[in-house]
Amino acid sequence: SQTIHQWPATLVQPVGSPLSLECTVEGTSNPNLYWYRQAAGRGLQLLFYSVGIGQISSEVPQNLSASRPQDRQFILSSKKLLLSDSGFYLCAWSVRQPGSTDTQYFGPGTRLTVL
Amino acid sequence: AQSVTQPDIHITVSEGASLELRCNYSYGATPYLFWYVQSPGQGLQLLLKYFSGDTLVQGIKGFEAEFKRSQSSFNLRKPSVHWSDAAEYFCAVGALSNFGNEKLTFGTGTRLTIIP
Repeated sequence: SQTIHQWPATLVQPVGSPLSLECTVEGTSNPNLYWYRQAAGRGLQLLFYSVGIGQISSEVPQNLSASRPQDRQFILSSKKLLLSDSGFYLCAWSVRQPGSTDTQYFGPGTRLTVL
Repeated sequence: AQSVTQPDIHITVSEGASLELRCNYSYGATPYLFWYVQSPGQGLQLLLKYFSGDTLVQGIKGFEAEFKRSQSSFNLRKPSVHWSDAAEYFCAVGALSNFGNEKLTFGTGTRLTIIP
């Protein structure tokens, strides 16, 4: 069965510090991968997605970047964190299902607080 | 561009009562629609999805949703709620990207509180 991992689970960082959040998927090949951010009391905002190694699509211009160095690894980064980067970051994966729609499966999330 | 509206920010229901959570979408083509549930501090779990065929979709945990194209709605229902159903519920619409995968647009969520 497929499993998705995110770490760290919780992170407190000062403004201006760098960021690296990691997401890995097990049990599937060539998944589509997604990064979302959920601000307090709000819905999920799609930040980045990737359909293959080295391919990244950005949905919202901002202080963050993403990379996919391996098939099942997706990394969210920042060189200098802003207060507004605080939130709950969720990684998700999907694979194309014949005769159906993609279904995205979510990881447990990382709670980021920027002080 | 697609959008999702969940008009109810917070709903309180007595245990054992019926539940309906509203979702309205805007999308130019036939939509793919989803309901997810999120417990506090957790990731999202898929409850059910609609992509074609029968407009009444059955999901996990006794939930169902009905797609009504004429009303652009995909409301979630449960005949009798349990205390464990207390959570936040998100409706989402999927749209194909230029790369052939689907991107989801989420509503802002409805928080469900269950009272004894």
